[in-house]
Amino acid sequence: EAGVTQFPSHSVIEKGQTVTLRCDPISGHDNLYWYRRVMGKEIKFLLHFVKESKQDESGMPNNRFLAERTGGTYSTLKVQPAELEDSGVYFCASSKQLRGTGELFFGEGSRLTVL
Amino acid sequence: GENVEQHPSTLSVQEGDSAVIKCTYSDSASNYFPWYKQELGKGPQLIIDIRSNVGEKKDQRIAVTLNKTAKHFSLHITETQPEDSAVYFCAAKSGNTPLVFGKGTRLSVIA
Repeated sequence: EAGVTQFPSHSVIEKGQTVTLRCDPISGHDNLYWYRRVMGKEIKFLLHFVKESKQDESGMPNNRFLAERTGGTYSTLKVQPAELEDSGVYFCASSKQLRGTGELFFGEGSRLTVL
Repeated sequence: GENVEQHPSTLSVQEGDSAVIKCTYSDSASNYFPWYKQELGKGPQLIIDIRSNVGEKKDQRIAVTLNKTAKHFSLHITETQPEDSAVYFCAAKSGNTPLVFGKGTRLSVIA
């Protein structure tokens, strides 16, 4: 069974440009999460989808970030326009269980560098 | 909201020695405490977890303890091996809230 896949693995862009990150969750996992880790800091929650609906987007930094999950399958996270402080590793995770303590399965992350 | 503090940020041990990583949390409603291991170039992977109705859980060389009164939990790795070298993250959550992670501990096991 394929795990969570993310693309691209690394993106280098200039301040003001746009980047779109993609995540393909494990098949059958209705829950999809985006997290971000800035160097040396915690893995910070951004948002949570249940199927195509945003369950919780309380961690989204500002309106420069837009996440979508059309059809409840893969998800995209767009940053527009990118700022220096957006640099970090963006992790996607999926889980089958909504309530309680379902294990999160993480992708390898997309490293974003904004120059 | 929940806040998780993790110490130390880096830890070096000799192969065969034990390693201990400690975390504290702030929300007394938190009831689930997983530990994730992130190897170089990979995403975090769950290695062990503990729920608030249990004080200790062990899986081979890995054990986790939980002290609800003090709001802290710890990861213990015995007989460390070079392949244990990685970044370890503790996390906490309650109900349907998102997992809140600590800042991570980079463990180096020196052969």
